[in-house]
Amino acid sequence: EAGVAQSPRYKIIEKRQSVAFWCNPISGHATLYWYQQILGQGPKLLIQFQNNGVVDDSQLPKDRFSAERLKGVDSTLKIQPAKLEDSAVYLCASSLDRQNGYTFGSGTRLTVV
Amino acid sequence: SQQGEEDPQALSIQEGENATMNCSYKTSINNLQWYRQNSGRGLVHLILIRSNEREKHSGRLRVTLDTSKKSSSLLITASRAADTASYFCATDNQAGTALIFGKGTTLSVSS
Repeated sequence: EAGVAQSPRYKIIEKRQSVAFWCNPISGHATLYWYQQILGQGPKLLIQFQNNGVVDDSQLPKDRFSAERLKGVDSTLKIQPAKLEDSAVYLCASSLDRQNGYTFGSGTRLTVV
Repeated sequence: SQQGEEDPQALSIQEGENATMNCSYKTSINNLQWYRQNSGRGLVHLILIRSNEREKHSGRLRVTLDTSKKSSSLLITASRAADTASYFCATDNQAGTALIFGKGTTLSVSS
């Protein structure tokens, strides 16, 4: 089966600019997650979707981050305006159900300068 | 908040040796999972062990779970240079809806 697709692979922007990341999960996976991974740390959950509804966005900095999952398939994560501390790898993952592991994409490495 | 915490933070071994990584967590879990991350890549799911299981094997991987001690261990036998990566344990968040990851153990296997 095809994996989780993410784009772009790398992005460099200046602080206060905006950026968007795209994710296409594995076909049939109802649950989609966005994680932020700062260098040297484990992934931190930003938002979780079940189909096109938000299950958990408690750790999403909503003053600058937004995410949507249209039609319960693809998802977009946006940052506006970006700060230096947003420099990280943004990982998208999907899962079939809680009894199975997650499948991660390769991530988008964001550098804010 | 962080649920799982891996130990050691870094581990260096020679090819052919066994590597053991430990994970401790704080609250009750439904299952515990281990993931591998090669440099610059996404995470790859290795193994899932349920709370009612004590041990699980997958190829050269052996995972144990001790719910009374709230701990798990991942053993990689006969390590290879290709096993060089970061290894993360992951457990349920408080709502039981998503995984929380630890900071990981960085394993370096030299030939």
